[in-house]
Amino acid sequence: KAGVTQTPRYLIKTRGQQVTLSCSPISGHRSVSWYQQTPGQGLQFLFEYFSETQRNKGNFPGRFSGRQFSNSRSEMNVSTLELGDSALYLCASSYRVSGFNYGYTFGSGTRLTVV
Amino acid sequence: GQNIDQPTEMTATEGAIVQINCTYQTSGFNGLFWYQQHAGEAPTFLSYNVLDGLEEKGRFSSFLSRSKGYSYLLLKELQMKDSASYLCAVRAGHLNRDDKIIFGKGTRLHILP
Repeated sequence: KAGVTQTPRYLIKTRGQQVTLSCSPISGHRSVSWYQQTPGQGLQFLFEYFSETQRNKGNFPGRFSGRQFSNSRSEMNVSTLELGDSALYLCASSYRVSGFNYGYTFGSGTRLTVV
Repeated sequence: GQNIDQPTEMTATEGAIVQINCTYQTSGFNGLFWYQQHAGEAPTFLSYNVLDGLEEKGRFSSFLSRSKGYSYLLLKELQMKDSASYLCAVRAGHLNRDDKIIFGKGTRLHILP
């Protein structure tokens, strides 16, 4: 059973640019959650998608957005990049039953560096 | 608000026992996770506690007290490969809506030979 696949693994971008990250969940998982991980703040919740709809959102500015496709793959986009956006971006896939997420499994992450 | 606290760093010796504490204050509680994360890798699942008490799984045990908003992860017979960050996470929110899993900042555990 394939795990959660995130692409690309590493990315270097310049301030002001925009970036799109991809996450393919485990087969059968329809929920994808995104997190930003930095040394000072730990894992911070960005948003969760289920059935192509955003179900939950963290406290990040509107520059951070996401979407989910009919095959459950999800993308997140960050526009007008700032130096502080340098982080490891992790996605986790799960299956959702009665509003709860089960089988929460993380991908290896995308390491974004903004210069 | 949502708040999860755990020590930033701990050091222990190979073969010894270490306890990593986690306290939480969240709106809604539906369970507590522990994850292990080696540097540069994805977090991997260790345990999930919903009810009060101790859950043992090999060298690792996790304890939960819901009334105190407290959990700990106990690691026995420490090995060098246990050097990693340990993340405490709470399933907050309310039944049938806004299920959120909120993470603490993690405890970096250093194992000395």
